[in-house]
Amino acid sequence: LAKTTQPISMDSYEGQEVNITCSHNNIATNDYITWYQQFPSQGPRFIIQGYKTKVTNEVASLFIPADRKSSTLSLPRVSLSDTAVYYCLVGDKAAGNKLTFGGGTRVLVKP
Amino acid sequence: DADVTQTPRNRITKTGKRIMLECSQTKGHDRMYWYRQDPGLGLRLIYYSFDVKDINKGEISDGYSVSRQAQAKFSLSLESAIPNQTALYFCATSDLDRASGNYGYTFGSGTRLTVV
Repeated sequence: LAKTTQPISMDSYEGQEVNITCSHNNIATNDYITWYQQFPSQGPRFIIQGYKTKVTNEVASLFIPADRKSSTLSLPRVSLSDTAVYYCLVGDKAAGNKLTFGGGTRVLVKP
Repeated sequence: DADVTQTPRNRITKTGKRIMLECSQTKGHDRMYWYRQDPGLGLRLIYYSFDVKDINKGEISDGYSVSRQAQAKFSLSLESAIPNQTALYFCATSDLDRASGNYGYTFGSGTRLTVV
């Protein structure tokens, strides 16, 4: 499984855009990149998934450069309720293999 | 009702006791997982099952066992609980969402287990 590296923590303010970059240098051809959000004492929640270029949904955008060795989750205009831990995971979607959750990035949104 | 339900939500047990954590799902997914989370850390995979007859060890299976009673039910047992098994335990299912093309996990709300 591809190993991922992401910042331990980030602070932001309400209304700002938050960008979290994840490194996955040994990503495999069949691997997809998926981001999850976790609030305290809750299970992680799926945010977004992509393979290359850019993916956008109602919650976030995911930017993936051509070499796919990194990806950036972008949260537009964050609010206090976006304070959470964000996990970047890489795995083979077709096989649906078990995913490994690293330490994630703790995002604190301040008033 | 939640798609993935874990019981109990909280449990305090004594060292040496056997305890079972239960998980049931209404997603109709074949794949189910048990994860453990320690404070400030990510999730670590204990066991996973890709269908009723399939059980696989994860990265930290020692001291744990599982049973896949049906497609919808996957239980985790601690045969003889010890204090360092105090943690937050999550059950999850996974499948391909055909509408979006995304492959994602659905997690339960967790079971907070304390072994004293």
